[in-house]
Amino acid sequence: QLVLTQSPSASASLGASVKLTCTLNSGHGYYAIAWHQQQPEKGPRYLMKLNSDGSHNKGDGIPDRFSGSSSGTERYLTISSLQSEDEADYYCQTWGTGIVIFGGGTKLTVL
Amino acid sequence: QVTLKESGPALVKPTQTLTLTCTFSGFSLSTSGMRVNWIRQPPGKALEWLARIDWDDDKFYSTSLKTRLTISKDTSKNQVVLTMTNMDPVDTGTYYCARMHSDSSGLFEYWGQGTLVTVSS
Repeated sequence: QLVLTQSPSASASLGASVKLTCTLNSGHGYYAIAWHQQQPEKGPRYLMKLNSDGSHNKGDGIPDRFSGSSSGTERYLTISSLQSEDEADYYCQTWGTGIVIFGGGTKLTVL
Repeated sequence: QVTLKESGPALVKPTQTLTLTCTFSGFSLSTSGMRVNWIRQPPGKALEWLARIDWDDDKFYSTSLKTRLTISKDTSKNQVVLTMTNMDPVDTGTYYCARMHSDSSGLFEYWGQGTLVTVSS
């Protein structure tokens, strides 16, 4: 059974960097994921596809401040030079044959 | 430019059937590889995948909800319809439609703005 685990919250200061983590359950380290951003009172927005080797493809218009990396069953989203508009919920998502799984989301607070 | 927009009733009563429509533009669901999904989000909670329909009319449903869901498409109208039977207050939330990436992966590349559905008597 495919499971994605995210920490419920994270915080970092304006202008700093933050690294969010999404963990696949054991045995699923080869899965790619997607990262999505959901700003307050808005629908989700696709950020990037992140492969198990750390390669990633960002969606249209996603700033260079957003990057991804991988290690084993962990998938990371790093946001550098944090801006106030980065305060949002971040969801990881993966998929299998006929199924889609979301992580529980991480609420990022920009201090 | 790909856009998707959800529409449907804002309020439904318990036990009623919910019908939601996703109207999209910028692609055709008759094109090979195109797939449209429904996802929901209870207030303050995480996203939950509900259902998917493919260009070739293949359909997939959430295991926990499959007995209550039906997804269909009208290619000529560029619409995907989701029905959910026997609505309950726990089904209250924002319902989104989303198109999967054209690279045949299962990620959601385009999202609608969502429509809020409240289940209450």
